[in-house]
Amino acid sequence: DTAVSQTPKYLVTQMGNDKSIKCEQNLGHDTMYWYKQDSKKFLKIMFSYNNKELIINETVPNRFSPKSPDKAHLNLHINSLELGDSAVYFCASSSRKGGVHEQYFGPGTRLTVT
Amino acid sequence: GQNIDQPTEMTATEGAIVQINCTYQTSGFNGLFWYQQHAGEAPTFLSYNVLDGLEEKGRFSSFLSRSKGYSYLLLKELQMKDSASYLCAVRLDNYGQNFVFGPGTRLSVLP
Repeated sequence: DTAVSQTPKYLVTQMGNDKSIKCEQNLGHDTMYWYKQDSKKFLKIMFSYNNKELIINETVPNRFSPKSPDKAHLNLHINSLELGDSAVYFCASSSRKGGVHEQYFGPGTRLTVT
Repeated sequence: GQNIDQPTEMTATEGAIVQINCTYQTSGFNGLFWYQQHAGEAPTFLSYNVLDGLEEKGRFSSFLSRSKGYSYLLLKELQMKDSASYLCAVRLDNYGQNFVFGPGTRLSVLP
């Protein structure tokens, strides 16, 4: 029944490693997003995908690469992890068809880089 | 640049009414959203305004003045479970689905 799911929920890794976070939504939405929430709880958009096409790519280091194999999935791969990448990463989805287009967020992935 | 301001923290008593303000200066505007985020959890949608005026939804209401770049979220009959952070977010354009979030207001409801 989970609308937007992410795995893993917690990720602890060392500097320099490469890691991936997976996201899936079963709401039939056409737009998916990745957000980063830092230690000050500031939520910042990283990427926005519509129908598997990259729409928004904010100022994010190119070590971060999103991949959308289909409309229901948006994964985030991070190369050469740095200490500053430690944060909670939220996946979200919304529908552009009529209505409010509110976003539904996944439970978040807490990434700790040591 | 994009700028959204909210008070950092607020405290109120159970049963009371609290108003959380949000001011914004953004390069575009296609709607203002309010989200609630409990500690350690994901944000959840509360309300949306795209035209000036008040939108009411049960104990929660949200107001927008586009000319003043101002919104507020009004919470009535406060309950302990309303203790959370409240995030104001502006959608910059309809096509891009680009959003800018404010820093959030942490509300503590005391008995």
